[in-house]
Amino acid sequence: ELKVEQNPLFLSMQEGKNYTIYCNYSTTSDRLYWYRQDPGKSLESLFVLLSNGAVKQEGRLMASLDTKARLSTLHITAAVHDLSATYFCAVDRFGNEKLTFGTGTRLTIIP
Amino acid sequence: GAVVSQHPSRVICKSGTSVKIECRSLDFQATTMFWYRQFPKKSLMLMATSNEGSKATYEQGVEKDKFLINHASLTLSTLTVTSAHPEDSSFYICSARDQRWREVFGPGTRLTVL
Repeated sequence: ELKVEQNPLFLSMQEGKNYTIYCNYSTTSDRLYWYRQDPGKSLESLFVLLSNGAVKQEGRLMASLDTKARLSTLHITAAVHDLSATYFCAVDRFGNEKLTFGTGTRLTIIP
Repeated sequence: GAVVSQHPSRVICKSGTSVKIECRSLDFQATTMFWYRQFPKKSLMLMATSNEGSKATYEQGVEKDKFLINHASLTLSTLTVTSAHPEDSSFYICSARDQRWREVFGPGTRLTVL
């Protein structure tokens, strides 16, 4: 059974600081996704990582994938308040479009 | 960009009634759509894969007779919660994969069963 774990589960950080969210998964996977969810809302796609060593950046967020370590990271640079949300990683194990979601990381940015 | 809509966004119903939720891909065709449920402050759990023109594939532990899925066209999938009970109260989210291999999620439907 594929397990996807994120840590930390909760993260409270000050504006302007840097931090990293980790996503570990238990078996080989073709694709890894990062999503953002605001309270009461659905998911917003952030990144799709398709190969070992893939790195993608948008604004203050940067995601990377190490398929050998079965690890993806979401790095936040100089955090701002509007990045407060819950972030999920998800793994598409067989490329068959079925996603297994991580536990989620609830990020709170304190002014 | 690709958009997936859901209707209704919120529904409150009495125990024992059935509720239908629609999921539409607005500007692309989707032979496969997915239905998830999310409990408060929890992650998403895949319920079933909806396949256009054929039967849905349900995940282990999901009752297919309780959660009826119909994928009648390339742009529409419906989830019917039959004989709903309070424990079925949840946030239901559908998704579809667009042509750029991005999973596009609908806005979700919050179901409350009294």
